Amino acid sequence: KAGVTQTPRYLIKTRGQQVTLSCSPISGHRSVSWYQQTPGQGLQFLFEYFSETQRNKGNFPGRFSGRQFSNSRSEMNVSTLELGDSALYLCASSLLGVAQYFGPGTRLTVT
Amino acid sequence: KNEVEQSPQNLTAQEGEFITINCSYSVGISALHWLQQHPGGGIVSLFMLSSGKKKHGRLIATINIQEKHSSLHITASHPRDSAVYICAVIGASSNYQLIWGAGTKLIIKP
Repeated sequence: KAGVTQTPRYLIKTRGQQVTLSCSPISGHRSVSWYQQTPGQGLQFLFEYFSETQRNKGNFPGRFSGRQFSNSRSEMNVSTLELGDSALYLCASSLLGVAQYFGPGTRLTVT
Repeated sequence: KNEVEQSPQNLTAQEGEFITINCSYSVGISALHWLQQHPGGGIVSLFMLSSGKKKHGRLIATINIQEKHSSLHITASHPRDSAVYICAVIGASSNYQLIWGAGTKLIIKP
């Protein structure tokens, strides 16, 4: 089985722009979770989608949003980028909701 | 106080040494993950356990639910084991959200 894939792997944006990141889970997995990892804050939970519905949400501003499609692929969008949004964004998939399989991450740099 | 505490934060050892990384948590959990993150960011789930002990190759993970403590052991450590090891728990009432420890940075010198 192919693993979790994330695109793009690296991204450079400027402040004020918006960005969309994509995650394709392992085939058959219906849960996709998104995490932000920064050196100062460690790993923080953004949100989880299960069968196209947002099931859990972390403590992030409304600039961070996501969605999940019927094929379980998920996208995460960040609008009005700030310097502090520079981070590694990780996606994890699982069959029922226990995030277990992680993608390689998208490294976002905001300048 | 963080809900998940790991120790040590940093660990440097010589090749061949027996390594122990500890994780203590303060919440009720349904399961605990040990994960490995290599430079570059990729995360691999090593173990998910809710009781007892699991072994995979040179890695052993144990959990004591009563004491709210888990350990990850690496036997015959090797430089390729150098990575950040993260403990994360699934809260009993958190609907599958992971609560993360800060990670332990392990360096194994040849």
